[in-house]
Amino acid sequence: SQTIHQWPATLVQPVGSPLSLECTVEGTSNPNLYWYRQAAGRGLQLLFYSVGIGQISSEVPQNLSASRPQDRQFILSSKKLLLSDSGFYLCAWSSLRDSPLHFGNGTRLTVT
Amino acid sequence: SQQGEEDPQALSIQEGENATMNCSYKTSINNLQWYRQNSGRGLVHLILIRSNEREKHSGRLRVTLDTSKKSSSLLITASRAADTASYFCATAAYSGGGADGLTFGKGTHLIIQP
Repeated sequence: SQTIHQWPATLVQPVGSPLSLECTVEGTSNPNLYWYRQAAGRGLQLLFYSVGIGQISSEVPQNLSASRPQDRQFILSSKKLLLSDSGFYLCAWSSLRDSPLHFGNGTRLTVT
Repeated sequence: SQQGEEDPQALSIQEGENATMNCSYKTSINNLQWYRQNSGRGLVHLILIRSNEREKHSGRLRVTLDTSKKSSSLLITASRAADTASYFCATAAYSGGGADGLTFGKGTHLIIQP
């Protein structure tokens, strides 16, 4: 069966520090991968998606970047965090374009 | 930008009652999906309904889709305390190649009183 791992679960970082969140998927190959951000009391905002290694599409211009160094690995990064980067970050995968998304348990990021 | 808008934003009912949540969207879609999120956790997929379908059932869940009104509803019958969660609708509207991703609404927070 397929599983998705996302870490860390919580993170407190000072403004201006770098960020690296990692997501890995097991049990499937060539998944579509996604990073979403959820602000308190709001819906999910799509940040990045990837259909293959090295292929990244950005939905929102911002302080963040994403990379896909391996087929089942998706990394969300920042060189210098801003206060507005605080939120709940969710990684997800799907097998086909219109198939359901499978989410990780999320990372709660607080920038202080 | 957010496509789906759920209504109501919050709903509190007694255990055993039915819960109905609505979702409206703005543009043409390929499919509409409903997800559930327990506090502090990731989302879990509940049901997918395609644009050419009008109704779909899964256990105690019933979803309807009216593409002429650009709206969908999620009905949970015989609610249980464990159904307490936030429920999101998400639309898929593919405009070209690639994965594109789903567009989520802000969700309905459902509380089932025991």
